Amino acid sequence: AQSVTQLDSHVSVSEGTPVLLRCNYSSSYSPSLFWYVQHPNKGLQLLLKYTSAATLVKGINGFEAEFKKSETSFHLTKPSAHMSDAAEYFCVVSPYSSASKIIFGSGTRLSIRP
Amino acid sequence: DTAVSQTPKYLVTQMGNDKSIKCEQNLGHDTMYWYKQDSKKFLKIMFSYNNKELIINETVPNRFSPKSPDKAHLNLHINSLELGDSAVYFCASSQVAGGGTEAFFGQGTRLTVV
Repeated sequence: AQSVTQLDSHVSVSEGTPVLLRCNYSSSYSPSLFWYVQHPNKGLQLLLKYTSAATLVKGINGFEAEFKKSETSFHLTKPSAHMSDAAEYFCVVSPYSSASKIIFGSGTRLSIRP
Repeated sequence: DTAVSQTPKYLVTQMGNDKSIKCEQNLGHDTMYWYKQDSKKFLKIMFSYNNKELIINETVPNRFSPKSPDKAHLNLHINSLELGDSAVYFCASSQVAGGGTEAFFGQGTRLTVV
């Protein structure tokens, strides 16, 4: 069985400070992991993905995430937050097996303080 | 050209009515999904089709019936709408079912049942 846990439902940071959104996964198979972003009243946009290549993955808008198998984690980071980063972020697992679900975490709402 | 498009974007209807949401993808993907996002932003898979064949059917009331006329389309029909059906419904597609590939999402349909 596979699952994904986002450890914080809400994170608030000041503009210009680092962002850390935490995600832990559980998967019976070698997983692919993704981060999606959803801006208010918008659809879901892929930020980045890990598919068993490099463990440090760079995405759009300056975000990156590191896959740590020993910790079963895939935390999302950004060195310097921007006001436009305020959104809902979802960690997603998609195991390497057929007929499997793409499973979403419960989401982390990121707020940016001026 | 929109990769995954769903219509309508907004749908307001009365309890007891029957309504449909349409979804089309032009990515040539084999798998399509319907997700429901509740008021707390939690995304839950409802159905998954691979090459027009139903492969995932979560615990969803049988008032919800997906229809896939071809692999580029996956429509969602809802009978006897209830207040609790109010949510945002997202259509998505991916190259294979699970298999470590990312899903591409439509912009969502906000369904409000009054």
